[in-house]
Amino acid sequence: ETAVFQTPNYHVTQVGNEVSFNCKQTLGHDTMYWYKQDSKKLLKIMFSYNNKQLIVNETVPRRFSPQSSDKAHLNLRIKSVEPEDSAVYLCASSLGLGGPNYAEQFFGPGTRLTVL
Amino acid sequence: GDSVTQTEGLVTLTEGLPVMLNCTYQTIYSNPFLFWYVHYLNESPRLLLKSSTDNKRTEHQGFHATLHKSSSSFHLQKSSAQLSDSALYYCALSDVNNNAGAKLTFGGGTRLTVRP
Repeated sequence: ETAVFQTPNYHVTQVGNEVSFNCKQTLGHDTMYWYKQDSKKLLKIMFSYNNKQLIVNETVPRRFSPQSSDKAHLNLRIKSVEPEDSAVYLCASSLGLGGPNYAEQFFGPGTRLTVL
Repeated sequence: GDSVTQTEGLVTLTEGLPVMLNCTYQTIYSNPFLFWYVHYLNESPRLLLKSSTDNKRTEHQGFHATLHKSSSSFHLQKSSAQLSDSALYYCALSDVNNNAGAKLTFGGGTRLTVRP
């Protein structure tokens, strides 16, 4: 079954540590995204990539850095995590850029990060 | 910047009653593209409805919504709530013309709980 996969499901760490989250999509899509869903369930775009090229980079702290090895993978690294980074990080993908038929985004299950 | 405002917080309904979740938006886009995503517990968010056509009703899985550009609204409705409709609902905005779907701006989410 094709889908958007994320690892790990959960991660607990301490302030100051570095963490990395992985995302892979098997849908053959060109565009991938990282979203942050906070404790109040607010969902905000962080980054989006199209064919390995960064196209959206919202105002996020510099300790967050996306990494894309190919269009099927988009990882997220957080250097020196802070307590406010505790959230669910959702990865998504879509067909690509263009008209309305390209716009539907397919989400992964999320990675829940807890920073102690 | 762009913004999406939804019915706030928690909506609790009795099974069989009609559902209406409000969504209004503000944008500079001349051709806004509106979405409703549904996030069931322990699942990934998924697309429920989408529309970029003014005054045209769109339907899926018993839900419907009509984009009204004159009032910047895209309210989600269902004639009769079911227990299985209990979930978190997000309204989201993008631009049809400018790399449609490259960036989704989400509303704050509305948690719908349907009781017997």
